Amino acid sequence: DAKTTQPTSMDCAEGRAANLPCNHSTISGNEYVYWYRQIHSQGPQYIIHGLKNNETNEMASLIITEDRKSSTLILPHATLRDTAVYYCIVRANNAGNMLTFGGGTRLMVKP
Amino acid sequence: DVKVTQSSRYLVKRTGEKVFLECVQDMDHENMFWYRQDPGLGLRLIYFSYDVKMKEKGDIPEGYSVSREKKERFSLILESASTNQTSMYLCASSSFVWTEAFFGQGTRLTVV
Repeated sequence: DAKTTQPTSMDCAEGRAANLPCNHSTISGNEYVYWYRQIHSQGPQYIIHGLKNNETNEMASLIITEDRKSSTLILPHATLRDTAVYYCIVRANNAGNMLTFGGGTRLMVKP
Repeated sequence: DVKVTQSSRYLVKRTGEKVFLECVQDMDHENMFWYRQDPGLGLRLIYFSYDVKMKEKGDIPEGYSVSREKKERFSLILESASTNQTSMYLCASSSFVWTEAFFGQGTRLTVV
């Protein structure tokens, strides 16, 4: 699986958009970009994933650059409950592939 | 509602004890995973199973073994618990060609 690089921590004001970057310059053509988050004392939770096109769901938007070497997760109106560690993972969807996590970004949403 | 259930939320065991951590999923998923999480070290994969009786070592398998006798259940075994195995343990499952993995709430194990 391709390696990802994320900032260690970020702050965001409540009600503003939170933009979390991820670099994955060695991503392969069949690898997807996944985002998970982990709120304190809970197991990680899936947020969104994409291959080439931008994706949006009820939780977030995922913007992937044209060369696929980086992506940004956008939480459009961050709330205090969005304070968590956010993990960017790149992974092919081949059967039986493992799922490994990097260090993630600790997002602190402040009032 | 999808569910991954870990048998205990908190566990305290003595050094040298044999410890079983149980994980059950009700989604008929083929893949199951065991991780440990420690401050500053993130989530590290211990073992992975993609089918009944099949297992693969993750990044840190030393000191652990696993058992998958039934599709829905994946057990993590500490043959002889040591204090450096004090940690949060997380189980997850996913379908064979998956889009997302589902995690349990975790077991906080303390070895004294």
